[in-house]
Amino acid sequence: ILNVEQSPQSLHVQEGDSTNFTCSFPSSNFYALHWYRWETAKSPEALFVMTLNGDEKKKGRISATLNTKEGYSYLYIKGSQPEDSATYLCAPLEPTNSGYSTLTFGKGTMLLVSP
Amino acid sequence: DGGITQSPKYLFRKEGQNVTLSCEQNLNHDAMYWYRQDPGQGLRLIYYSQIVNDFQKGDIAEGYSVSREKKESFPLTVTSAQKNPTAFYLCASSIEGGTGYNEQFFGPGTRLTVL
Repeated sequence: ILNVEQSPQSLHVQEGDSTNFTCSFPSSNFYALHWYRWETAKSPEALFVMTLNGDEKKKGRISATLNTKEGYSYLYIKGSQPEDSATYLCAPLEPTNSGYSTLTFGKGTMLLVSP
Repeated sequence: DGGITQSPKYLFRKEGQNVTLSCEQNLNHDAMYWYRQDPGQGLRLIYYSQIVNDFQKGDIAEGYSVSREKKESFPLTVTSAQKNPTAFYLCASSIEGGTGYNEQFFGPGTRLTVL
């Protein structure tokens, strides 16, 4: 099982602040990294699937970067809004003995944005 | 509406009883997954299935069983052998799961409480 670390564990910012958090994972045998957003009382939703070193993906005010050589990914939120309040999960891909690959989820970063 | 449904939302069972959690998807996805969430932990993979009539154990399969007789259905049975069954259970699916590059779509979850 991969060791996936997300930091910080939780974050409280004011509306309009920009913020970022980190996902660390083993850099050897990297295949892909998924980011999900999980709002309270809703289902997790995919934000990004990242595969290449140096990848940068953007969706509205949210963007993510990937460094596979050093084993980390950053998620940035520009101008946070209350609706960005959620837990953000990262999950690198791990090959299995069955020949398939599965996701190993970090514990997440819980973001609270106050108006 | 296409999506994943899980029922029921809340489930209570007495210790020693088996219980089956339902997961249905109408997205025509090949791959389906069961995760468990406990406080302070990331999502942990219980079982997954890449195609009909085939499934593999995840990281914490002990005390659980699944079947995949139909593409759209992937029920999870929590048996009396599962030592700590009280948890939040999430079902997910993806177009195909072999490579792991496709995002996963999640259901709303079932909270199981064993009394």
